Amino acid sequence: EVQLVESGGGLVQPGGSLRLSCAASGFIFSDYWMNWVRQAPGKGLEWVANIKQDGSQKYYVDSVKGRFTISRDNAKNSLYLQMNSLRAEDTAVYYCARTVRGVILDAFDIWGQGTMVTVSS
Amino acid sequence: DIQMTQSPSSVSVSVGDRVTITCRASQGIGSWLAWYQQKPGKAPKLLINGASSLQRGVPSRFSGSGSGTDFTLTISSLQPEDFATYYCQQANSFPLTFGGGTKVEIK
Repeated sequence: EVQLVESGGGLVQPGGSLRLSCAASGFIFSDYWMNWVRQAPGKGLEWVANIKQDGSQKYYVDSVKGRFTISRDNAKNSLYLQMNSLRAEDTAVYYCARTVRGVILDAFDIWGQGTMVTVSS
Repeated sequence: DIQMTQSPSSVSVSVGDRVTITCRASQGIGSWLAWYQQKPGKAPKLLINGASSLQRGVPSRFSGSGSGTDFTLTISSLQPEDFATYYCQQANSFPLTFGGGTKVEIK
């Protein structure tokens, strides 16, 4: 079964750090661009970042540039999001998602169940 | 950034009704448009890619059309399991952006 499973969410104080992980299974992880997408409580979807198959290219939404770092370990079939200098507005469910067809820009055909990140004192 | 504007933001309909949701891009995106369905507490599910290509396993009552800046998602005969929130997403350029969502509710 094709599957993505996120972990690492939790409660963190403003200014703190958190590292999210996403474990992939059921497909050749190294063939796909991978993404993080978030959804604040009661709000819509926001794309956060993506990373090329070999990790050589990374793109971010402006609001997280310089604070978040996306990375991957193809040997472990895993995607990561290191989040530093967290703010209240980063509070959201974070989803990892696969880009269809292995291309840089396209829709997201496989999603994880999400992990909640709460930034609050 | 390309802004995606969906309308309406919510709609109340009955089972069997035809539903049309519109998505407008702030600049031309060709056919780089996807539609998702999201139910409460669940991850989004990809319904349509490339503006009109139905994903495998998605019922044929769902259809998408449009190109350039104006796009439409149509549900031809709403079923009970279709009550959800629907989002459009542009895949033309970074940053990838979503519409604000359309909540389809039971009348």
